[in-house]
Amino acid sequence: AQTVTQSQPEMSVQEAETVTLSCTYDTSENNYYLFWYKQPPSRQMILVIRQEAYKQQNATENRFSVNFQKAAKSFSLKISDSQLGDTAMYFCAFMKHGGAQKLVFGQGTRLTINP
Amino acid sequence: GAGVSQSPRYKVTKRGQDVALRCDPISGHVSLYWYRQALGQGPEFLTYFNYEAQQDKSGLPNDRFSAERPEGSISTLTIQRTEQRDSAMYRCASSLAAGQETQYFGPGTRLLVL
Repeated sequence: AQTVTQSQPEMSVQEAETVTLSCTYDTSENNYYLFWYKQPPSRQMILVIRQEAYKQQNATENRFSVNFQKAAKSFSLKISDSQLGDTAMYFCAFMKHGGAQKLVFGQGTRLTINP
Repeated sequence: GAGVSQSPRYKVTKRGQDVALRCDPISGHVSLYWYRQALGQGPEFLTYFNYEAQQDKSGLPNDRFSAERPEGSISTLTIQRTEQRDSAMYRCASSLAAGQETQYFGPGTRLLVL
């Protein structure tokens, strides 16, 4: 079974700073997908970024980028020029390619951006 | 539709009552998923459908929980004889096709069992 671990329960940075959220996972699969979802105080689940395991290039979406280290089974999220609206819970998630397509989530990291 | 919708958004019920939670996926999305999220935790998988077929129900905690998607669009998650431990946020997600596509989540139904 796959597991996803987020070792930072809470983080806090000043506005405009860069912050990195950690995520590690355990799987015997070779082909899979990794995601970061954001859950603001409204408790909506919003996709931030997605990475296919077969791609060596790290995914980027504007101020959000990932550092995907397949051998180390690590998938960290970097937020550049952080904004107050980035304050949220962030969940890392794993999905196998093919077969059962359920998402396996980590425990989450609560990120606070301070003015 | 513009996004995944769920109803009701909030449900308060008494222990022992049955509840039905509804999910309306994004138009054209083949796959539909149900998750449960306890406060302060990540969502946990319950079940999922491709079209009207329930492909995996391994996450349903016991036989009081069931789900259906009879016409391959709207889905209903039913909890019979609710217990206080069933209190949680129930989330629905949909994806364009199974296995490769990103799952988009609805706003969730917050269930409180008294």
